[in-house]
Amino acid sequence: DAGVTQSPTHLIKTRGQQVTLRCSPKSGHDTVSWYQQALGQGPQFIFQYYEEEERQRGNFPDRFSGHQFPNYSSELNVNALLLGDSALYLCASSPALGDRASFNYGYTFGSGTRLTVV
Amino acid sequence: LAKTTQPVSMDSYEGQEVNITCSHNNIATNDYITWYQQFPSQGPRFIIQGYKTKVTNEVASLFIPADRKSSTLSLPRVSLSDTAVYYCLVGGVYNFNKFYFGSGTKLNVKP
Repeated sequence: DAGVTQSPTHLIKTRGQQVTLRCSPKSGHDTVSWYQQALGQGPQFIFQYYEEEERQRGNFPDRFSGHQFPNYSSELNVNALLLGDSALYLCASSPALGDRASFNYGYTFGSGTRLTVV
Repeated sequence: LAKTTQPVSMDSYEGQEVNITCSHNNIATNDYITWYQQFPSQGPRFIIQGYKTKVTNEVASLFIPADRKSSTLSLPRVSLSDTAVYYCLVGGVYNFNKFYFGSGTKLNVKP
């Protein structure tokens, strides 16, 4: 059973460019959350998607946007990249709302996408 | 949102039991406590989750006192491969969650 899959694993972009990161949730999960983790810091919550809508959002500017597709996969888009956007971007999935009993196993995280902005 | 406080770092030796305590004074009634382990350049890995009293699985135990304002992750007989950052999170499970990570506890296991 595949876990959470993220692509690409590494990415180098120039300041001012735009980037799209992709995530496929674990089988049976339909909620996807995105986190940004700077070097030496804990992951910071960006937003969460369920039923193709953004349900929760952390303290991130509008340059950060996302999308969820009918198959539950998700994209994170960042526009007008800044040097400070360099980080590990993590995707986490969780099971359906109607199956909260299995939530006792927490979120499943992918291995992340390492974004470097130069 | 419950804020968590953990020690920045801890040292231990192989074969010892390690206890990492997390404070969460503002935990809400419907909040669960979840611990994650993270190795460098990898995503966090779920360790254990609980609501109250004691929970045990094949890798760890979680102790939660009656007031739930703190919790203790217990790792029995640690090995070098347990060297990692450990995060304590609190959040509800019956709504849309946005778990907030603190800075975690860097556990360094020595031979």
